Amino acid sequence: QEHLVESGGGVVQPGRSLRLSCVASGFTFNTYALHWVRQAPGKGLEWVASVSSDGSKKYYVDSVNGRFTVSRDNSKNMVSLQMDSLGTDDTATYYCARGGCRVDSCSRAWFDPWGQGTLVTVSS
Amino acid sequence: EIAMTQSPATLSVSPGERATLSCRASQSVSTNLAWYQQKPGQAPRILIYAASTRAAGIPARFSGSGSETDFTLTISSLQSEDFAVYYCQQYNNWPRTFGQGTKVEIK
Repeated sequence: QEHLVESGGGVVQPGRSLRLSCVASGFTFNTYALHWVRQAPGKGLEWVASVSSDGSKKYYVDSVNGRFTVSRDNSKNMVSLQMDSLGTDDTATYYCARGGCRVDSCSRAWFDPWGQGTLVTVSS
Repeated sequence: EIAMTQSPATLSVSPGERATLSCRASQSVSTNLAWYQQKPGQAPRILIYAASTRAAGIPARFSGSGSETDFTLTISSLQSEDFAVYYCQQYNNWPRTFGQGTKVEIK
């Protein structure tokens, strides 16, 4: 069964850094793009970052560009999100999600499946 | 950036009734449009992709339609487990963008 498990969330002070990880199982990891989506408490979904199957292409929402870095290690079936210069607006549950189809099947894909999320709280 | 606008924000429906949710894109996304369902305390799950294709395991009472800028999610006969928040998302352009969600609540 295809599965994604996030970790690394917690409470961090403004201006500090945090690194999230997402470990995948149940599918051929290096044939799918991976994505990070966040949800502030009581709010909607916001796409944060994406990385291509081979890690060569990375995309970011403007609000995190230059502060967050997405990366993947295909040998470990893992994708990471390094978050620097955190602000209170970054407080959210962060979800890892896989592209809905293999990169050799489609160039654009929905997000499926999703992990259970990890909560990041930025507070002094 | 493509803005996705969902309406209504809240939909009050009785069990067994039909629910129609709308999603409008600020520019064409072709049929690169997905619908997700999210229940409290849970991660979103895919319902519909490519505007009208049901994901694996999704009941036939869920259907999607539309193209370009106007899309609809229809739940033909609401069951108790369908009361949730529904989001549309375009995956045609970067940045990927979501609608603000429609909450389907019990009337």
